[in-house]
Amino acid sequence: GAVVSQHPSRVICKSGTSVKIECRSLDFQATTMFWYRQFPKQSLMLMATSNEGSKATYEQGVEKDKFLINHASLTLSTLTVTSAHPEDSSFYICSARPDRGDNSPLHFGNGTRLTVT
Amino acid sequence: GNSVTQMEGPVTLSEEAFLTINCTYTATGYPSLFWYVQYPGEGLQLLLKATKADDKGSNKGFEATYRKETTSFHLEKGSVQVSDSAVYFCALSARTGGFKTIFGAGTRLFVKA
Repeated sequence: GAVVSQHPSRVICKSGTSVKIECRSLDFQATTMFWYRQFPKQSLMLMATSNEGSKATYEQGVEKDKFLINHASLTLSTLTVTSAHPEDSSFYICSARPDRGDNSPLHFGNGTRLTVT
Repeated sequence: GNSVTQMEGPVTLSEEAFLTINCTYTATGYPSLFWYVQYPGEGLQLLLKATKADDKGSNKGFEATYRKETTSFHLEKGSVQVSDSAVYFCALSARTGGFKTIFGAGTRLFVKA
């Protein structure tokens, strides 16, 4: 089956530093990937849509300069949390659609637990 | 905008009990509906889906029927097992929402032996 690999699974960083999270589609090409944020005991909130070879589309209220997204190839998207602060601590999850069709199911990475101290 | 509402948890059941997790949605047009499951320590994975009214999605003993008249997609299983303990998310994707997948809040299920 289609696999989405996300790395790292956990990261702890100091306030003010930047953290990069990678999302790879291992056995399919993804022109579009989706980045979600999951708060404790809450649902997944779509942060942005990552588009291969062009700018990401951010959801309302998500800071573009804080959460930098790069989708340089058909199998890799990265999310960089810049100048991280404790309020950025969260669970970040990437996903992609391996199957054709805009309504086809998402395949998810295992997520990255970010803790900013 | 489009949205999904599902029952709050946690839900605690004994093994072999009947499970229902309610899910209702708001969307213009004809969304596709999904149930995703997140087992402890793992990422989300698709459990089942339905793409049009009256469709029934099923997998691993779970079922859900797309009811357009009540805008619902309730998840059911006749006899739960301890291994079904997980968080269940109802979700939709629709052209009117740019095909972005919108999730409900998630319902945590605990099954006791």
